[in-house]
Amino acid sequence: NAGVMQNPRHLVRRRGQEARLRCSPMKGHSHVYWYRQLPEEGLKFMVYLQKENIIDESGMPKERFSAEFPKEGPSILRIQQVVRGDSAAYFCASSPPGDRSQPQHFGDGTRLSIL
Amino acid sequence: GNSVTQMEGPVTLSEEAFLTINCTYTATGYPSLFWYVQYPGEGLQLLLKATKADDKGSNKGFEATYRKETTSFHLEKGSVQVSDSAVYFCALVPGTYKYIFGTGTRLKVLA
Repeated sequence: NAGVMQNPRHLVRRRGQEARLRCSPMKGHSHVYWYRQLPEEGLKFMVYLQKENIIDESGMPKERFSAEFPKEGPSILRIQQVVRGDSAAYFCASSPPGDRSQPQHFGDGTRLSIL
Repeated sequence: GNSVTQMEGPVTLSEEAFLTINCTYTATGYPSLFWYVQYPGEGLQLLLKATKADDKGSNKGFEATYRKETTSFHLEKGSVQVSDSAVYFCALVPGTYKYIFGTGTRLKVLA
């Protein structure tokens, strides 16, 4: 499967712990986007990254959340000191370089549960 | 601002019934419009798209027409199947990369 790969599929954390979500974009894609889906809601944009650069993080909470897309390896969404309200599905999407209006391809998501 | 409004679900239909899921939008400029489908436990899959007014996107029997005059992009299918049961999301991209999604409409098709 050459699609967007996210892991883990399910992640359980206790309040105060850290959560790390990984995303490997489709082959040849250099743009990565993270979205959050709360129960019974649509996806909300969080952050847009290119290799080694954060382009737009306007949808990401200012505290506890961070994202990176290193030169080598997957993109990481990191949530520190998790709280119950962080429980959600987190989706990663990618698109090819050049035309940012190309449709984004989504992974299957990571479902984060906070105990 | 930019926003998408979808009809609320769940929508329950019998197999072979006609499907319409309404989607209207508010946007500045000329956004691209998309329909995505999400099957249980999976990510979103692109169903169809339209990039300018009067474009009709179609795929797997689904269709939607970009209507600028009514700011709508309603999803239709002439004869639904049980396998179409899923959540459908309308989305707009107002000239950039930041997708704006509707809240989704759950469709349940009964055999």
